Amino acid sequence: AQTVTQSQPEMSVQEAETVTLSCTYDTSESDYYLFWYKQPPSRQMILVIRQEAYKQQNATENRFSVNFQKAAKSFSLKISDSQLGDAAMYFCAYAEASNYQLIWGAGTKLIIKP
Amino acid sequence: EAGVVQSPRYKIIEKKQPVAFWCNPISGHNTLYWYRQNLGQGPELLIRYENEEAVDDSQLPKDRFSAERLKGVDSTLKIQPAELGDSAVYLCASTRGTDTQYFGPGTRLTVL
Repeated sequence: AQTVTQSQPEMSVQEAETVTLSCTYDTSESDYYLFWYKQPPSRQMILVIRQEAYKQQNATENRFSVNFQKAAKSFSLKISDSQLGDAAMYFCAYAEASNYQLIWGAGTKLIIKP
Repeated sequence: EAGVVQSPRYKIIEKKQPVAFWCNPISGHNTLYWYRQNLGQGPELLIRYENEEAVDDSQLPKDRFSAERLKGVDSTLKIQPAELGDSAVYLCASTRGTDTQYFGPGTRLTVL
């Protein structure tokens, strides 16, 4: 069965600095998607970034970028120029291309220090 | 484009009472999901609908939970009777086919 592991329960970073959140997954599939979602205290689950496994190029969205290492089954999220509004729980998720059911990691709480 | 709408945002009930949550997905999204999220954990899928058909309800505790999606649009998730362990955030998400899931703001349920 597919699993997603986030080994960092909590991370903190100084405002304006860069932070990297780790995620590893286990699958025998070749076609799948990976996601980072952000969940602030308001509880709304917000999509941060999405990566298709067949794409070698790492996805980027403004200050957010990923380091996708397919062979190592690693999918880390880099947040550049951290802002106070980035403080939230960050969840890594995996979905098979065949059924699109999301498998979630346990989350990493990101604290931004002013 | 309006996002996924959920109501109520908060609900506090006594154990053994019934409770219902409502979700209105993004217009045109045929797939709808209900998740339960316990504190400090990722969401857990309860049920997935394709239009009005429940295609995956294997994780739904059917002795007390029920769901419906009449006409393939709005959906209601019901718990009867509620237990203390049902306290959680209930999230609804929708998508168009096999695409990114978009989430509503969730309903925080507290069972006393």
